[in-house]
Amino acid sequence: SQQGEEDPQALSIQEGENATMNCSYKTSINNLQWYRQNSGRGLVHLILIRSNEREKHSGRLRVTLDTSKKSSSLLITASRAADTASYFCATGTSGSRLTFGEGTQLTVNP
Amino acid sequence: GAVVSQHPSWVICKSGTSVKIECRSLDFQATTMFWYRQFPKQSLMLMATSNEGSKATYEQGVEKDKFLINHASLTLSTLTVTSAHPEDSSFYICSARDRLAGRYNEQFFGPGTRLTVL
Repeated sequence: SQQGEEDPQALSIQEGENATMNCSYKTSINNLQWYRQNSGRGLVHLILIRSNEREKHSGRLRVTLDTSKKSSSLLITASRAADTASYFCATGTSGSRLTFGEGTQLTVNP
Repeated sequence: GAVVSQHPSWVICKSGTSVKIECRSLDFQATTMFWYRQFPKQSLMLMATSNEGSKATYEQGVEKDKFLINHASLTLSTLTVTSAHPEDSSFYICSARDRLAGRYNEQFFGPGTRLTVL
């Protein structure tokens, strides 16, 4: 079963704006990862944040993790039309399996 | 580095036939590979965990006799959908974990295989 829940389910913004997606989970985790998927394609790994980390940056991406609230957020700054895709969070345990959230469909309008 | 390929990228077959999907790690060794399926506009659902040289571990509700997994080498896992039916039509994605990965388990995903059963 999927333990991750993401909100919003869909997000539509204008180019240049920031996009924030949230992910909540239920059990203890080893790490949390964010992936991007273009329609009908495979997943692209964006960023991994460990359970002992609170914030991580990669280019225009900023990820936060609050283990006390069992939640994470992904911020994409200065969005571009090419950022249009589905974004999934996935929680990892020490057993190496990943459990994916339901995903957020981001549309960036030019 | 860390490239995973899948073959075929898409396949159309008749109901009742079997289809084999290959997942290869191209530039690293993967003791563990994972198979997911994804229905349109839905998330990825883990089907099974494939360990090199041993039997796969299936998730609850996944029929092991229908979805045969073989992980015969450190770079190849195969998923065979036996006696496929239209309800098996889906996007099948594999991922691989680097044998040398630490405790933080980044997985590398293949591009997926679109299966359509007529």
